[in-house]
Amino acid sequence: SQQGEEDPQALSIQEGENATMNCSYKTSINNLQWYRQNSGRGLVHLILIRSNEREKHSGRLRVTLDTSKKSSSLLITASRAADTASYFCATDQRGSTLGRLYFGRGTQLTVWP
Amino acid sequence: NAGVTQTPKFQVLKTGQSMTLQCAQDMNHEYMSWYRQDPGMGLRLIHYSVGAGITDQGEVPNGYNVSRSTTEDFPLRLLSAAPSQTSVYFCASSYFFTPDSGNTIYFGEGSWLTVV
Repeated sequence: SQQGEEDPQALSIQEGENATMNCSYKTSINNLQWYRQNSGRGLVHLILIRSNEREKHSGRLRVTLDTSKKSSSLLITASRAADTASYFCATDQRGSTLGRLYFGRGTQLTVWP
Repeated sequence: NAGVTQTPKFQVLKTGQSMTLQCAQDMNHEYMSWYRQDPGMGLRLIHYSVGAGITDQGEVPNGYNVSRSTTEDFPLRLLSAAPSQTSVYFCASSYFFTPDSGNTIYFGEGSWLTVV
């Protein structure tokens, strides 16, 4: 499969704790993106990190990228109940059709009040 | 600015029936695509288009047709529905990617299709 693979498949934490999700992929990439999906809704873009970047921040989100290990992590700090959702990584693979993203199967995050 | 609009939201079909899922975007995006989402499978690309008059197959195109007569619209047609096509379908659009730009994709809210 050319998809990214998220780990863990499911994560359950208390409000205030940090949540870390990982993504591994198999081929060289131009960039990697993280998306969020609330239950019954479409996916919403969170953050994009380019292949020449190692770390990126956006509010309570921190994304790292290790191209040598072909992996990325998404850290959500001080989680809130409203962060409960599925999180997907998507890769823009080098040499692939421009605009085509390959999505992983997602991590289901549950944040308990 | 409505973004990406999909209709219908829910649909039940009988095996062998045909139908069209509608998708429209008002952001003047060149790139549009259709994904299906199944439990444990993530999102799989069905068909995509890089501009009006240009379409191509994705990962799972069998049983589906698309056309792109305008920049705004990208309908997905199920030719003869099968139970295996029971899924949630998402339309998405973006500006055209380059390896350096890495545009983000905007998704519709999804269409839940059940084939009985």
